[in-house]
This record gives sequence, C-alpha cells and structure tokens, in this order.
Amino acid sequence: AQKVTQAQTEISVVEKEDVTLDCVYETRDTTYYLFWYKQPPSGELVFLIRRNSFDEQNEISGRYSWNFQKSTSSFNFTITASQVVDSAVYFCALSEANNYGQNFVFGPGTRLSVLP
Amino acid sequence: DGGITQSPKYLFRKEGQNVTLSCEQNLNHDAMYWYRQDPGQGLRLIYYSQIVNDFQKGDIAEGYSVSREKKESFPLTVTSAQKNPTAFYLCASSPREGGTDTQYFGPGTRLTVL
Repeated sequence: AQKVTQAQTEISVVEKEDVTLDCVYETRDTTYYLFWYKQPPSGELVFLIRRNSFDEQNEISGRYSWNFQKSTSSFNFTITASQVVDSAVYFCALSEANNYGQNFVFGPGTRLSVLP
Repeated sequence: DGGITQSPKYLFRKEGQNVTLSCEQNLNHDAMYWYRQDPGQGLRLIYYSQIVNDFQKGDIAEGYSVSREKKESFPLTVTSAQKNPTAFYLCASSPREGGTDTQYFGPGTRLTVL
C-alpha cells in the first residue's frame, strides 16, 4: 500500500535561514510520481513540483530545491534563504502510475513558519 | 484565465440540511476530485471522476454525493447523513495523461455546521 510520511509536524525558522522539509514514501510500484504542494493561509493548494520515479536528478528552481533518493525512498524539499512569504503548510504526495488519480496519497503536511 | 473556481468560499449550514458545493474548471481536464481537510490534517479523498457521467467513491464517501453531467462541473452535495461535515473542502482537476496525474486545486470552500 502507498504511504507518505512527513515526520516534521511544524518547523520555525528565522528569515534567511535555509530549511529542509522531509518526505519519505512507501510504494510497491516501480513507476510512480512524487509531488510537493504549498498551502498558504488562504487555503488553496499550489503545485510546486512533480518528479517521476525514473528521474533521480535533483532539481533547483530559484530558492527551492528537491533531493530525490530512491535508495532511501525520500523526496526532500529545501528552501534556501527563507522568506516570510514561505510560511505555509507543505504537502508531499505520491501517485502510482496507471491509476488515474485514485491512488493519489498525501502526507500529513509540515507547517513552516518563517519569522522576520 | 484558466483555472478552477469553487463557490461559495464560506458556507454555513444548519444540522439536517443538505448543501451543495460548486466546482467548475475551464482547463479542459478530464478528471476531477473532491477532498476534505480537517484542521491540522492532510487531505482525504471523497469522490473522484475520470470522465463525464462516471464517478467513484474515495476513502470517505459516506454522507456525500456527486454528479458529473458536464466536463467542466463536479458539484458535491453534503447530505444530512454526514455526521461531522464541518471542514474545508477542496476540489481539484487533472489532465488524463496516462497516470501523471498532477492535480490542480481550487481555492476551497469552508463549511461550518451550526
């Protein structure tokens, strides 16, 4: 069965600090997709990244970077030089291929507070 | 602009009443979803639809009903049978791309039962 674990319930950092949000997943499939979403106080989930199981290259987008390691079943998300606007709940999610969404599983989320 | 709209943003219901939450998308996506989020919790799937006139129960479908008569619309009815309906409801859609399934979300509806 699929499972996504985000062990950090809440994290607080001071602005300009780097912060890493952990995500560990479980799946029996060899083909799957991993996602990160941001949920700001307004409530809408904002898509950040999708990564397929055959692509273990790290990705950087501005201050955001993602580290995908199949050997440890982890897909961690790092924010460099955090800003107050990064304060939100961040969700990691897993989707197994060929199921068209019915097995899209979200982790419990990590609440990040960036203090000025 | 393409996107997903949900209305209303806030909804208050008396116990015993049915209410319908609206979800509309103009992204031409085949699949649509309804999730429930309780305070401090993750998302739980209520119903999903891969195509018009077809929908499937998710993990917590009891007390809810849906319809999918048009590709753009996927309304959710919270019935009086739902014992604890106060929650934040999120609608999402995704293109049917052979399992890639990036889901895009609407702004949500916050339902409170008085």
